[in-house]
Amino acid sequence: AQSVTQLGSHVSVSEGALVLLRCNYSSSVPPYLFWYVQYPNQGLQLLLKYTTGATLVKGINGFEAEFKKSETSFHLTKPSAHMSDAAEYFCAVKETSYDKVIFGPGTSLSVIP
Amino acid sequence: DAGVTQSPTHLIKTRGQQVTLRCSPKSGHDTVSWYQQALGQGPQFIFQYYEEEERQRGNFPDRFSGHQFPNYSSELNVNALLLGDSALYLCASSLDMGGEETQYFGPGTRLLVL
Repeated sequence: AQSVTQLGSHVSVSEGALVLLRCNYSSSVPPYLFWYVQYPNQGLQLLLKYTTGATLVKGINGFEAEFKKSETSFHLTKPSAHMSDAAEYFCAVKETSYDKVIFGPGTSLSVIP
Repeated sequence: DAGVTQSPTHLIKTRGQQVTLRCSPKSGHDTVSWYQQALGQGPQFIFQYYEEEERQRGNFPDRFSGHQFPNYSSELNVNALLLGDSALYLCASSLDMGGEETQYFGPGTRLLVL
């Protein structure tokens, strides 16, 4: 069965520092992988996704993630945090074309001025 | 281009009542998925509708049912409400592209069951 683990329910970084949000998944086949961001009282917005091809995926707002099959990981990074990056971040996975999307528990990112 | 819209934005019900939530997909999208997001947790998949049929279902009881209309809009119905049904209900729409589609989420309906 698919599952998603996000290490660290809360991460704090200083403005301008590197952002690293961790995501590990379990899947029996090469999965589709996603990162979503949720701002307070809003729905989810897709940051980036991996389906096939290049394992380094670039998304919106300067975020990127690398699919590492050997480590079953899909960590999200951003070189320099901005105050506007403070939000909840969800990693998600699905195994097949029409499979349901399984979300991780989320990581709350705080950016300290 | 309007994105995914949901109504109502907030709702308060009492235990045992029934509720209907509505979702209009992004223009051009034909698939609607519903998720339940409890406070402090990630969204949990309820079910997905495509061509007016339920295509996938998560681990939710039969009290949760849905419908998709010919214009692709969708409803989520919950009967016999429990306190534990209090959550943010998210609708996501996509265009069926054999698996590589992107889901676009609405702002959600926040349901409080008293």
